[in-house]
Amino acid sequence: GDSVTQMEGPVTLSEEAFLTINCTYTATGYPSLFWYVQYPGEGLQLLLKATKADDKGSNKGFEATYRKETTSFHLEKGSVQVSDSAVYFCALSDRRGYTGNQFYFGTGTSLTVIP
Amino acid sequence: DAMVIQNPRYQVTQFGKPVTLSCSQTLNHNVMYWYQQKSSQAPKLLFHYYDKDFNNEADTPDNFQSRRPNTSFCFLDIRSPGLGDAAMYLCATSRSGGTDTQYFGPGTRLTVL
Repeated sequence: GDSVTQMEGPVTLSEEAFLTINCTYTATGYPSLFWYVQYPGEGLQLLLKATKADDKGSNKGFEATYRKETTSFHLEKGSVQVSDSAVYFCALSDRRGYTGNQFYFGTGTSLTVIP
Repeated sequence: DAMVIQNPRYQVTQFGKPVTLSCSQTLNHNVMYWYQQKSSQAPKLLFHYYDKDFNNEADTPDNFQSRRPNTSFCFLDIRSPGLGDAAMYLCATSRSGGTDTQYFGPGTRLTVL
């Protein structure tokens, strides 16, 4: 079945460091891929997405490229800020057809950025 | 702004006392979802509605029920909350099925005493 494997945390970085959070997936069809961010006590916010192979999603300095050959969707940011401290979830959306879609979430990676 | 709203943000109930959580959306999306998220875990899908069609996940306990009286509102009813039901409950919507983006509300933190 479909699944998402995400780099385990927690991750602690200094401000302005480079960030990579690894995400790989298993899917039988042609899924869309997402990164969501969750700040403490809040719901999930969509960070970026990609809907087909070689697409690059980007937002707020974060980027991820849908790599079908390596089944990966790694999240990167060139220079992190303290305000980026949050939990990041990689997710896969599978086509279920009429009855809605099925999201498969990774286990989440907690990021703490220290000044 | 169009959005997904959940009320209340924090809910405290007693063991065995029924509780209802509320979700509303101004996105006019066809699909609404309820997730349960326990500490340091990924969200777990409980069920979803496509319009009025209810779809229950196979491992969702019978203790959890849902109602969707109209497009905008969806409710999560926990008939007899146990200590293990303490969690964050997230509502999400998507325009339709397939691989559409899901948009999440801020969540309701449920405490069971």
